[in-house]
Amino acid sequence: EAQVTQNPRYLITVTGKKLTVTCSQNMNHEYMSWYRQDPGLGLRQIYYSMNVEVTDKGDVPEGYKVSRKEKRNFPLILESPSPNQTSLYFCATRREGPREQYFGPGTRLTVT
Amino acid sequence: GQQLNQSPQSMFIQEGEDVSMNCTSSSIFNTWLWYKQDPGEGPVLLIALYKAGELTSNGRLTAQFGITRKDSFLNISASIPSDVGIYFCAGQGGVSGTYKYIFGTGTRLKVLA
Repeated sequence: EAQVTQNPRYLITVTGKKLTVTCSQNMNHEYMSWYRQDPGLGLRQIYYSMNVEVTDKGDVPEGYKVSRKEKRNFPLILESPSPNQTSLYFCATRREGPREQYFGPGTRLTVT
Repeated sequence: GQQLNQSPQSMFIQEGEDVSMNCTSSSIFNTWLWYKQDPGEGPVLLIALYKAGELTSNGRLTAQFGITRKDSFLNISASIPSDVGIYFCAGQGGVSGTYKYIFGTGTRLKVLA
């Protein structure tokens, strides 16, 4: 079954404690992306990756890092989380050519 | 950052009614996408539009890519209770670039049985 998986699905952490949210896809898609969703603001793109070792900033990259060492995985790293990064995070993928994105189930992060 | 103006923000309708929502932008896009999000889940793609003027249907859903490339519309006919959720538009391409997507703020739909 074609799918995008995220782990963990829920996370409560404290300010400054480094964390990583993983995203994995089994569709061999070149393109992967991270979004955050906040009430009233819709989804905002954090980072995206066009292929292995190729990443670029979206609209809200501050406070986040990403890496793309292999095609199937695209982890989101928060080196020093702060309360304003409390949000619902989604990973998305698409294959080369068609521009439709497919989303993972989401990770709800709370930073206290 | 750039955002799309999506309206209405929310709507209550009776089961069986038709629903219309739209998205507008100050800049052009090459692709318009419409998604539905249920509580606790990720957005699910409903319709993708690739050409200005294009009209595409998916069951009871119909969406159009505006002629100016700056807007898009989604219509739902004969709504049913499972249509409840948040609907998002997204624009891709144009001045924002091939790899960036800009989302609307969503239309929350509630259907009264």
